[in-house]
Amino acid sequence: DTAVSQTPKYLVTQMGNDKSIKCEQNLGHDTMYWYKQDSKKFLKIMFSYNNKELIINETVPNRFSPKSPDKAHLNLHINSLELGDSAVYFCASSQALGESGYTFGSGTRLTVV
Amino acid sequence: GENVEQHPSTLSVQEGDSAVIKCTYSDSASNYFPWYKQELGKGPQLIIDIRSNVGEKKDQRIAVTLNKTAKHFSLHITETQPEDSAVYFCAASWSNYQLIWGAGTKLIIKP
Repeated sequence: DTAVSQTPKYLVTQMGNDKSIKCEQNLGHDTMYWYKQDSKKFLKIMFSYNNKELIINETVPNRFSPKSPDKAHLNLHINSLELGDSAVYFCASSQALGESGYTFGSGTRLTVV
Repeated sequence: GENVEQHPSTLSVQEGDSAVIKCTYSDSASNYFPWYKQELGKGPQLIIDIRSNVGEKKDQRIAVTLNKTAKHFSLHITETQPEDSAVYFCAASWSNYQLIWGAGTKLIIKP
């Protein structure tokens, strides 16, 4: 019954590797997001995907790329991982881009060594 | 662009007392103001929200107030309990625009 599920929950990898995090929502929402939460708990939007329109936060390195095979899935691919990429990554979804609550996944803790 | 400021960054209250967290926003077009609670090891969870046509909303021990003129909104938690300990985030948005988030408040309930 999990509304927004993301896998894996933990990911430890070496610098330079390429990795993916998967996200699926069963709420029928139209919009999905990826957030990065650093050690100070600040939530930084990375991407939002709404009706096949991708909105990218301009500060996100192009090593990060979202892939959406359908409305219920938004995966995150990361190339050439760096130490500074270590953080918790959250997937979320909402009924619309604005004026609606978000449902978050439980997070993926990425550690780059 | 829109900016949301949240205060305090850390709040420690005695169990049973009330807690208040305040946020201010910069864009008068904002019309949706949610509050999220994030427990350790979990994702943020929506606990209450308010729209600009309402001044106050309550749900059991939590309430949110909105002052559109002053462009600030607050979360009030009464009769605090240990399970209220968490990080709380405020946010603001308007039609067809994503949420703008506050920096978070770590709420500590002292037994």
